[in-house]
Amino acid sequence: KNQVEQSPQSLIILEGKNCTLQCNYTVSPFSNLRWYKQDTGRGPVSLTIMTFSENTKSNGRYTATLDADTKQSSLHITASQLSDSASYICVVTYGNNRLAFGKGNQVVVIP
Amino acid sequence: NAGVTQTPKFQVLKTGQSMTLQCAQDMNHNSMYWYRQDPGMGLRLIYYSASEGTTDKGEVPNGYNVSRLNKREFSLRLESAAPSQTSVYFCASSDRTEKLFFGSGTQLSVL
Repeated sequence: KNQVEQSPQSLIILEGKNCTLQCNYTVSPFSNLRWYKQDTGRGPVSLTIMTFSENTKSNGRYTATLDADTKQSSLHITASQLSDSASYICVVTYGNNRLAFGKGNQVVVIP
Repeated sequence: NAGVTQTPKFQVLKTGQSMTLQCAQDMNHNSMYWYRQDPGMGLRLIYYSASEGTTDKGEVPNGYNVSRLNKREFSLRLESAAPSQTSVYFCASSDRTEKLFFGSGTQLSVL
């Protein structure tokens, strides 16, 4: 069973609309959680990091939340733009600096 | 600021051929990684190197070898390529917070 589950697997949204991506994890002990954005044909790039004590963190139009008790994180995209079309990957650091990857949320923004 | 540089970007091999993927980083990071990314599978760790002179197997090491030539360079070798190794390969390095910095990827096809 995958240790990091992301949902939805894919979604299509209209430009200007908001969307929320979910990440649930089971690994422990938790260290931090990062969201990466991967544009087509490129390597992933870190968007934000969430540590145990942080509930919410924003990076421009991206807002990440973390509930360490329920082991859930979300990434909210506000007023989506065409350039937000990408795969968003949730990565959890746990234990002795081990990494667990989700399979990604594929987002397509259409005009 | 080159970051992580991978070569080549594209490669086509015949079954049984060998090749080496090159990776170099200029951020003075200790840790370096090789991942493969397949549709529906997400990123999977092939090998990693926590520091110069050390290498360890990841989740899917079979059919691959690595060399940590120095602190900057970490190469991945396919001794006898198989069609199952058709994939996109990413090299990455990480800072002390385990934030990953990825190269732009190598698209490999094995016929």
